[in-house]
Amino acid sequence: DTEVTQTPKHLVMGMTNKKSLKCEQHMGHRAMYWYKQKAKKPPELMFVYSYEKLSINESVPSRFSPECPNSSLLNLHLHALQPEDSALYLCASSQENEVGHSYNEQFFGPGTRLTVL
Amino acid sequence: SQKIEQNSEALNIQEGKTATLTCNYTNYSPAYLQWYRQDPGRGPVFLLLIRENEKEKRKERLKVTFDTTLKQSLFHITASQPADSATYLCALVLYNQGGKLIFGQGTELSVKP
Repeated sequence: DTEVTQTPKHLVMGMTNKKSLKCEQHMGHRAMYWYKQKAKKPPELMFVYSYEKLSINESVPSRFSPECPNSSLLNLHLHALQPEDSALYLCASSQENEVGHSYNEQFFGPGTRLTVL
Repeated sequence: SQKIEQNSEALNIQEGKTATLTCNYTNYSPAYLQWYRQDPGRGPVFLLLIRENEKEKRKERLKVTFDTTLKQSLFHITASQPADSATYLCALVLYNQGGKLIFGQGTELSVKP
């Protein structure tokens, strides 16, 4: 199974809502990532998890809160978002070459299209 | 400042021709360079990876070169087909950065029949 799944596919939320994005992979990868992608722009890294521990936070606002409950699951909790946070949120995973470092291909999920009203 | 640039936002070619996409970078020392394909509304799909000490990699109709002196990678699709139409992204992987991908802005390739 070389698939990364993400739910939901689409999400519309108000600025006062709390919601969560979910990501799952069963490839045994110990590195997992969240990216944000705006229209006609490349993906931008938000967070990296290595062996279920947060290893990189790219200065993301605290209204985005990641969580890695186990080696197969990655969540992104959303609270008090702004309309400019509307984007495609992509999850990815990869094998690590050594703990905390991966130079390997990343497998991306299909993304969650988020709209903040 | 650090930059990664792909040669053009859009490239139109005729079916059967070779598409050549360029990725240039400034003030980076990448360990690896990767190429991804992205279709509208979908996640990127990995195509090829090349290490800093490799000059060329091939996979079927795809070829990538990496020149660390010129700080440039070229990505070729031979015998292009309309199904190759997509956005192609190059990405740098740096040492000791936890696997972080730094993407170029992408080139939208359109192959006309």
